[in-house]
Amino acid sequence: QSALTQPASVSGSPGQSITISCTGTSSDVGSYNLVSWYQQHPGKAPKLMIYEVSKRPSGVSNRFSGSKSGNTASLTISGLQAEDEADYYCCSYAGSSNVVFGGGTKLTVL
Amino acid sequence: QVQLQESGPGLVKPSQTLSLTCTVSGGSISSGDYYWSWIRQPPGKGLEWIGYIYYSGSTYYNPSLKSRVTISVDTSKNQFSLKLSSVTAADTAVYYCAREETTVTIFDYWGQGTLVTVSS
Repeated sequence: QSALTQPASVSGSPGQSITISCTGTSSDVGSYNLVSWYQQHPGKAPKLMIYEVSKRPSGVSNRFSGSKSGNTASLTISGLQAEDEADYYCCSYAGSSNVVFGGGTKLTVL
Repeated sequence: QVQLQESGPGLVKPSQTLSLTCTVSGGSISSGDYYWSWIRQPPGKGLEWIGYIYYSGSTYYNPSLKSRVTISVDTSKNQFSLKLSSVTAADTAVYYCAREETTVTIFDYWGQGTLVTVSS
């Protein structure tokens, strides 16, 4: 199984919206609504931000939203804030009890 | 509040076996609603799923690591463990344990992570 493809970096100014893409295949992202997104600040453990494509865990800001079209999932952050600056990883079920992560995207808030 | 804590040697020699334990508190590892997982992150790189175990002992491993990985569970101690054999420098990483809902890919609680360096 190969890692899901994410852009290495994205950036935006405070208050703007950004979208991070996560491209897989018909064997993972395209076949299952089991895509999640994680936020990781430097030196910290990842934090679950979105699960099952578009659901938000309790306590996660509604500025974070997820979607999927075909083999590509997306994470959108609206109203960017300085605290959103972090690395973001997508994750998908890949069948046969396998899980695959994306390579990660570094978000810079300008 | 569920908490997970990794423990084990921070330095392992090449060709030897890496062994880590994750201690779970604030919840029972015997809950049928969760898998107990290991995930690693090489320095400056992305996350890699290693595998997970169910309280019953059923295991599922990343195909790329399957030949070298063993995950086990000790329900009496509320712990689960990782063994990775024949390590090389490429296995140097921060190793995380995490709780995963059985609706997979939902890793809702994570340990703080422990850095394991493979070096002679």
